[in-house]
Amino acid sequence: EAQVTQNPRYLITVTGKKLTVTCSQNMNHEYMSWYRQDPGLGLRQIYYSMNVEVTDKGDVPEGYKVSRKEKRNFPLILESPSPNQTSLYFCASRTRTEAFFGQGTRLTVV
Amino acid sequence: TQLLEQSPQFLSIQEGENLTVYCNSSSVFSSLQWYRQEPGEGPVLLVTVVTGGEVKKLKRLTFQFGDARKDSSLHITAAQPGDTGLYLCAGDTNAGKSTFGDGTTLTVKP
Repeated sequence: EAQVTQNPRYLITVTGKKLTVTCSQNMNHEYMSWYRQDPGLGLRQIYYSMNVEVTDKGDVPEGYKVSRKEKRNFPLILESPSPNQTSLYFCASRTRTEAFFGQGTRLTVV
Repeated sequence: TQLLEQSPQFLSIQEGENLTVYCNSSSVFSSLQWYRQEPGEGPVLLVTVVTGGEVKKLKRLTFQFGDARKDSSLHITAAQPGDTGLYLCAGDTNAGKSTFGDGTTLTVKP
């Protein structure tokens, strides 16, 4: 079954404590992307990767890092989370004609 | 940042009515997707359009990509309560960037 798996689903953390949200896909897709979704602002792209070792900034990359050491995994790293990074995060994996999103990670930074 | 304006933002109609959702931009996209999202879940891809003027049908849903690849529409015929949800359009550039519209919340009353 085609799947994008994000972990954790829910996370409450404190300001400044480094965290990683993992994302894994089983479809051998080259393209993966991270988004955040906020009320009134919609889905905004954070980072994307068009292949292994190739990553690029989306519209809201500040405060985030990503890596793409292997095709299936695309972790999102928050080195020093701040309250304005409280949001619902989605990882996506896709080709030109198909796309799959993970179930989301609801992050709260206090 | 490329903007994708989606309208209307909210739509409440009776079962059996027809409706159209619009997605407009001043930018040209290499492809455009339509998604449906349920609360607390990731977007689910409905269709991808890639060719200017392209029309795709998915049961009662008709999707059109503008000739200039700057706009798109989603038309639902004879809406049913099961069509209730958040509909999102998203445009891609050749470089891999992805921009989402703010979404249309559709409510179909029985």
